[in-house]
Amino acid sequence: GDSVTQMEGPVTLSEEAFLTINCTYTATGYPSLFWYVQYPGEGLQLLLKATKADDKGSNKGFEATYRKETTSFHLEKGSVQVSDSAVYFCALLSSGGSYIPTFGRGTSLIVHP
Amino acid sequence: DAGITQSPRHKVTETGTPVTLRCHQTENHRYMYWYRQDPGHGLRLIHYSYGVKDTDKGEVSDGYSVSRSKTEDFLLTLESATSSQTSVYFCAISVGQTSNTGELFFGEGSRLTVL
Repeated sequence: GDSVTQMEGPVTLSEEAFLTINCTYTATGYPSLFWYVQYPGEGLQLLLKATKADDKGSNKGFEATYRKETTSFHLEKGSVQVSDSAVYFCALLSSGGSYIPTFGRGTSLIVHP
Repeated sequence: DAGITQSPRHKVTETGTPVTLRCHQTENHRYMYWYRQDPGHGLRLIHYSYGVKDTDKGEVSDGYSVSRSKTEDFLLTLESATSSQTSVYFCAISVGQTSNTGELFFGEGSRLTVL
C-alpha cells in the first residue's frame, strides 16, 4: 500500500538558517504530492503541491521538487523565520481514482530568534 | 478556507455518553473526511464520504459512525464515548465538486475530552 516517511523531529534551527525536511514515499503509478503546515491550535493548511515528476511546488519561500527517481519530495526553505515554527506534513494521493490521501507522521519545526 | 466549519469546537463529556460532531461546508465538495490527531500518531482517518449517503471506514473506525444525508453536512457520532476517544478531531474536504484532487482543506478542529 501507499506510505509516506518523514524525518523524525523536532527540527530546531536558528532564524535565517536553511531548512530541509525529508520526505520519501511508496506508491504505485504517479501520485500527487503535497506539503501541509499546521500552526499551533489550528487545522492543517496546504502549503504546496506537485502533480507530476520534476514539478516544483513553491509557496511562502518554501519549495519541494517531485523526484520520481528517488521517490522523494523534500521540503526546503532558504532562510527560516520564527513564524515558520509549526508541524509539517508530507502527503500523497495515488493516481487511479483513489479517495484517500496518505499522510506522513509530521515533523515539528522550532525556529529560535 | 473552502467554507468549512466544525462544531462544537470544544466539548467535555463523560464516559458512556453519546457525542456528535458536525462538519459543515458551503461549496458542494463531494469528498469529506474525519480524522483524529493524537500525539505520536499523526493524523488517522476515521471515516470518509464520497457523496450523499456514501461513506466508508478508515483505519480507526471502531466506536465511530458517520452520516451524510446532504452534501453540506458530515456528522461523526461516538455512540458511547470512552476515554481513549479523547482527541482533537478534524474534518476535511477535498477540493473539487466531482473528482478528488487530493488537495484537502481542514476545519479548525474539535477538541473532545472524555472523562
